[in-house]
Amino acid sequence: DIQMTQSPSSVSASVGDSVTITCRASQGIGIWLAWYQQKPGKAPKVLINAASSLQSGVPSRFRGTGSGTDFTLTISSLQPEDFASYYCQQAHSSPFTFGGGTKVEMK
Amino acid sequence: QVHLQESGPGLVKPSETVSLTCSVSDDSISTYYWTWIRQPPGKGLEWIGNIYSSGNTNYNPSLKTRVVLSVDTSRNQISLKLSSVTAADTAVYYCARDMYYFHYWGQGILVTVSS
Repeated sequence: DIQMTQSPSSVSASVGDSVTITCRASQGIGIWLAWYQQKPGKAPKVLINAASSLQSGVPSRFRGTGSGTDFTLTISSLQPEDFASYYCQQAHSSPFTFGGGTKVEMK
Repeated sequence: QVHLQESGPGLVKPSETVSLTCSVSDDSISTYYWTWIRQPPGKGLEWIGNIYSSGNTNYNPSLKTRVVLSVDTSRNQISLKLSSVTAADTAVYYCARDMYYFHYWGQGILVTVSS
């Protein structure tokens, strides 16, 4: 299985801050990577797929970069609705695996 | 926009089999792969497996001996059966559409394994 390691596991930030989350794959996955946002009690919502392709309706302050084994999700100018948990997911090979998650908390 | 709804028992006894159903709101069940994902309380996401309308399945090796996915296109439903459950199987179970990236999700159903 491909292991996905996310860091940090949590981050405290304020509205207007920029936040960067990192995801590292245990082997190369090309750009077969998605980022999800999950709020308490809700299903995850896909923000980005193919490493950098922003999904329809997702604000442009979300940006995904990377390829191979190293990926980042950057949220610029954090908004109140962005406080949530974020997960990366590799779609390169089955079983499709997720990172452990990053909780973005209000400072 | 497609709507997915999971249903099934909220409480299951250890060693039993839990059966969950995902109802799809439109006829797209024949067009896409359908995936089950679970999330233990307070923890991360685990891919369980997927199924196509033809019946073709892919399972997570960690669960493969205990999981069976099936599809009923006449009812627009996908089903999951997980056998020999233990407390470690306590989780919110989600169904989702697509094979690689999961754009549509159900609201999830909490399944608790307890005697």
